Amino acid sequence: RKEVEQDPGPFNVPEGATVAFNCTYSNSASQSFFWYRQDCRKEPKLLMSVYSSGNEDGRFTAQLNRASQYISLLIRDSKLSDSATYLCAKGYGGSQGNLIFGKGTKLSVKP
Amino acid sequence: DAGVTQSPTHLIKTRGQQVTLRCSPKSGHDTVSWYQQALGQGPQFIFQYYEEEERQRGNFPDRFSGHQFPNYSSELNVNALLLGDSALYLCASSLRWRGAQETQYFGPGTRLLVL
Repeated sequence: RKEVEQDPGPFNVPEGATVAFNCTYSNSASQSFFWYRQDCRKEPKLLMSVYSSGNEDGRFTAQLNRASQYISLLIRDSKLSDSATYLCAKGYGGSQGNLIFGKGTKLSVKP
Repeated sequence: DAGVTQSPTHLIKTRGQQVTLRCSPKSGHDTVSWYQQALGQGPQFIFQYYEEEERQRGNFPDRFSGHQFPNYSSELNVNALLLGDSALYLCASSLRWRGAQETQYFGPGTRLLVL
């Protein structure tokens, strides 16, 4: 089993739709989790860090479920500009810090 | 405030050649990590440099080596290039604070094509 697995996608949704991405992980020693957004042929950009209590930033909500070992990202009221690949990643705290990424899920928001 | 910069942006090499990629971290950052992203895949961790030493390494062969300079910039070297080394190579910088690594910020990447 891969350490981080994501919904295969692609997700094709109309503008205004709500879309949810899930990501499962193995190795419960992971301490930190992230969602990155990557536009075509560009670098990943941090969208949100994911905390145990869940966190929200405008139309985006991220949640972490340690018991079931998954993280989720909810995008409400999708915009055309949300079209991108969404990568989930887990990292380790302390003196380590490399990120382990999933393969990413492509989102296309259509007019 | 300059972000993470990488050079070159694109590179074409042939099998067996050697390549050096460069990264300058974001201002104030002291840790540099390198990732390889093949087409359709997520980035894969190669190694991380802090205080001019390799601190962690992913599952990559010894053909991949690196260096960090006193100004925190870093190089990634790949010897004996294989076709499978064709990928986007991403550099990410971060700051270590009280032994923990803060958020990583990625550079625009170097796109390497091996023919």
